Amino acid sequence: RKEVEQDPGPFNVPEGATVAFNCTYSNSASQSFFWYRQDCRKEPKLLMSVYSSGNEDGRFTAQLNRASQYISLLIRDSKLSDSATYLCVVPGDSNYQLIWGAGTKLIIKP
Amino acid sequence: DTEVTQTPKHLVMGMTNKKSLKCEQHMGHRAMYWYKQKAKKPPELMFVYSYEKLSINESVPSRFSPECPNSSLLNLHLHALQPEDSALYLCASSQVSGDYEQYFGPGTRLTVT
Repeated sequence: RKEVEQDPGPFNVPEGATVAFNCTYSNSASQSFFWYRQDCRKEPKLLMSVYSSGNEDGRFTAQLNRASQYISLLIRDSKLSDSATYLCVVPGDSNYQLIWGAGTKLIIKP
Repeated sequence: DTEVTQTPKHLVMGMTNKKSLKCEQHMGHRAMYWYKQKAKKPPELMFVYSYEKLSINESVPSRFSPECPNSSLLNLHLHALQPEDSALYLCASSQVSGDYEQYFGPGTRLTVT
C-alpha cells in the first residue's frame, strides 16, 4: 500500500455542482494532513490544513476519518476557477518531510 | 501573491554549463526547501535548510549543490546536469522547524540540453 493514495481522476464536474474526493494514508500515527492545489504549470498552494476531525473554509470542507485512515475534500458550488490538481499531503517520519499523493485532477465545466 | 520569489523563471542549459537558481522569502521563515517536480508527478524533496543549516539531503546527486547565504535566501548551484534533470524546481519555506505548512515559490522551469 502506498503511503498516500489518491484517485488521479480526472473528475469532470459541471459548474455549481458539489464534488468530493478522498485520500487514504498508511501511517495511523499521522496527526496532521494538508490539501494543496496546483494549477497547470504553477506551484502548489496550501489550501487547507487538518489537525483534528476536519476543517471548513467557505466552499471547501476537509474531513478526517481516522478509523478508515482517509481524508476527504468537499467542494460546494464549484467554480470554473476550481479546476486544478488537488494534492493530499501527510507528514513523513523525519522533520519537515511531507509525503505527497499523486494528486486528483478536477475539471469544472461550464 | 506568493511571498517566495524564484529566479529565473525559465532556464535552458547545456550539460557542461554551471548555473544557479535563486530563491528568496520575505516571511521571516526559518526553514527552506528545494523540490524537484516532473510533469504529472508530485514534488520530490531534495534539500531542507533549517536556521541556515542543511538538515536534510534526500540522496541528491552532487551535481546539485545547495547554499543558504542567510535566512531569506536559498540557492541551488547546478553543474554537469543530465537531460533527465529537466524539471520544475520549486523552492518553499515554512515558519519554524517541524511546521508542515509550506509556502512555495513559482518555480524555475529547467531544461537541460
